[in-house]
Amino acid sequence: QQQVKQSPQSLIVQKGGISIINCAYENTAFDYFPWYQQFPGKGPALLIAIRPDVSEKKEGRFTISFNKSAKQFSLHIMDSQPGDSATYFCAARGTGGTSYGKLTFGQGTILTVHP
Amino acid sequence: NAGVTQTPKFRILKIGQSMTLQCAQDMNHNYMYWYRQDPGMGLKLIYYSVGAGITDKGEVPNGYNVSRSTTEDFPLRLELAAPSQTSVYFCASSNGGRQPQHFGDGTRLSIL
Repeated sequence: QQQVKQSPQSLIVQKGGISIINCAYENTAFDYFPWYQQFPGKGPALLIAIRPDVSEKKEGRFTISFNKSAKQFSLHIMDSQPGDSATYFCAARGTGGTSYGKLTFGQGTILTVHP
Repeated sequence: NAGVTQTPKFRILKIGQSMTLQCAQDMNHNYMYWYRQDPGMGLKLIYYSVGAGITDKGEVPNGYNVSRSTTEDFPLRLELAAPSQTSVYFCASSNGGRQPQHFGDGTRLSIL
């Protein structure tokens, strides 16, 4: 079974600091790596995504770093704000067999940004 | 701008009862999905559909059933509720299997 492992489980950061969430996957049959942001009582919403032929993607304060050889990718939130407090999920999209097109999610990270 | 609408938002069931979680989308998406979210476990795919009349099992389908008679609706049925089905259920849709998924706000289900 394809797996995506996410850490840490929870993270507390001061306003203005950098939040870093890490994910690792165990199967090479993935072709797309999105990050989702979820606020309490809401569904996950796509935040940013990357393909494995790119090592970094930046959108505003959010950056994904991707290390294909290590099968790891991470989300960096620069200048973290209290409004960034949410649960973050990494995911990986399958390319082959019964996993084609399906997302495998990490376990989630609860981010709290203190003012 | 409704997107994906799930009803009800909350429900408490007794063991052995049945119920249907409703999901509707107004984006004319052909793909629809049901996930369950448990603390510390991420989201697990229960069932998905690539179009009206076509459904298939995901990672954790046991104890659930689905149907897809229209493009817009994708209900999830629990026939004999069990405590292990206590969870938050999310419905999602996408315009093709390789496009971003749009999620509803979930149904929080407790089985006692």
